[in-house]
Amino acid sequence: SAVISQKPSRDICQRGTSLTIQCQVDSQVTMMFWYRQQPGQSLTLIATANQGSEATYESGFVIDKFPISRPNLTFSTLTVSNMSPEDSSIYLCSVAVGGQEGEQYFGPGTRLTVT
Amino acid sequence: AQSVAQPEDQVNVAEGNPLTVKCTYSVSGNPYLFWYVQYPNRGLQFLLKYITGDNLVKGSYGFEAEFNKSQTSFHLKKPSALVSDSALYFCAVRDKGGATNKLIFGTGTLLAVQP
Repeated sequence: SAVISQKPSRDICQRGTSLTIQCQVDSQVTMMFWYRQQPGQSLTLIATANQGSEATYESGFVIDKFPISRPNLTFSTLTVSNMSPEDSSIYLCSVAVGGQEGEQYFGPGTRLTVT
Repeated sequence: AQSVAQPEDQVNVAEGNPLTVKCTYSVSGNPYLFWYVQYPNRGLQFLLKYITGDNLVKGSYGFEAEFNKSQTSFHLKKPSALVSDSALYFCAVRDKGGATNKLIFGTGTLLAVQP
């Protein structure tokens, strides 16, 4: 298993500003992911955070809006840039353990409200 | 493309009665299937997974799920529901032959157990 922490746990931000969310894992993992969960909705994968290379973004998500860093195998950041109220969501960090057959573990999430 | 469907937005059941939360999947190859639970204001917790072998998979908190290849289903079950089981349940799939380890989530089913 893996224990994941995220900072901040919640924030209220003004439109047009940016917020950086940190994700820390208690062990080295190859695969890290960032998800978004909009109010009352399911989880949508934003990107896969690759250590030592650029993140791999899903359709509908771009690096300029959601830049991601992955400096080592235990840490990643997601920045939500130039925020608008539509960015109000819970942002979740996740890691995959055990390869293709393994489950993913999730952080507690960052609840973002943009006013 | 891989996908999962959870046809019920909400399932209501009386405490002590059996419960079923439905999930069907679509993948090009063989699936890895997962169930997660999300309690209010908390992150996702892994419940159980199907990789291969026995079609009946047992997981945490007394939950089990039955893999049915012919019906492409992976319904979550519990013989006797508890009020504390009330939460949001997500089914997820990973394509066994896929290039990445990403999980695709269903839309979620809210389980409400009445005392």
